[in-house]
Amino acid sequence: AQKITQTQPGMFVQEKEAVTLDCTYDTSDQSYGLFWYKQPSSGEMIFLIYQGSYDEQNATEGRYSLNFQKARKSANLVISASQLGDSAMYFCAMREDNYGQNFVFGPGTRLSVLP
Amino acid sequence: EPEVTQTPSHQVTQMGQEVILRCVPISNHLYFYWYRQILGQKVEFLVSFYNNEISEKSEIFDDQFSVERPDGSNFTLKIRSTKLEDSAMYFCASSGTELGPQHFGDGTRLSIL
Repeated sequence: AQKITQTQPGMFVQEKEAVTLDCTYDTSDQSYGLFWYKQPSSGEMIFLIYQGSYDEQNATEGRYSLNFQKARKSANLVISASQLGDSAMYFCAMREDNYGQNFVFGPGTRLSVLP
Repeated sequence: EPEVTQTPSHQVTQMGQEVILRCVPISNHLYFYWYRQILGQKVEFLVSFYNNEISEKSEIFDDQFSVERPDGSNFTLKIRSTKLEDSAMYFCASSGTELGPQHFGDGTRLSIL
């Protein structure tokens, strides 16, 4: 079974609109971390936001927020006020504390921001 | 802001040759990782390294792979006898804590001919 599922291979959003990128995960651990990374066409991996499984508040970092619904095992990324520079691949990743430090990545969602 | 740096950005190598990919993690980080991303596919974990030894490795990280921290700043990935299927982007990452975010370098694109 897939540990991380991102059901949207591609998304389009109008500039200045908000967009939600979906991520669901599968774990039996009680303690885990969820991460979002951005990969522009140039290829680098840019860390965006982190949510710990015990965090009660949804994480926010500037225009990025993470809509964490633990019971549903979802950790959707919300980008507010999209900008053209947000066009990129976005990867959701999970680290399970009982399985060590390595990340498991989802297949990614390609976001295209339209002018 | 401190960053992970990787060299070279692109490496072209003949099949069967050895290749060394270099990384300089963020200076006060203690945990180091290598990942790879075959073109168009998702990022896959290779190996994690802490306290001068491998702490975990994936099935991909077989005997042709090795990692080393030869000095206080560099962290290298060696592929002993490259195969065509080793062509990928290789990312180095580091983290300051065991469970915290991992910061990635810009990657080395490895092309095996």
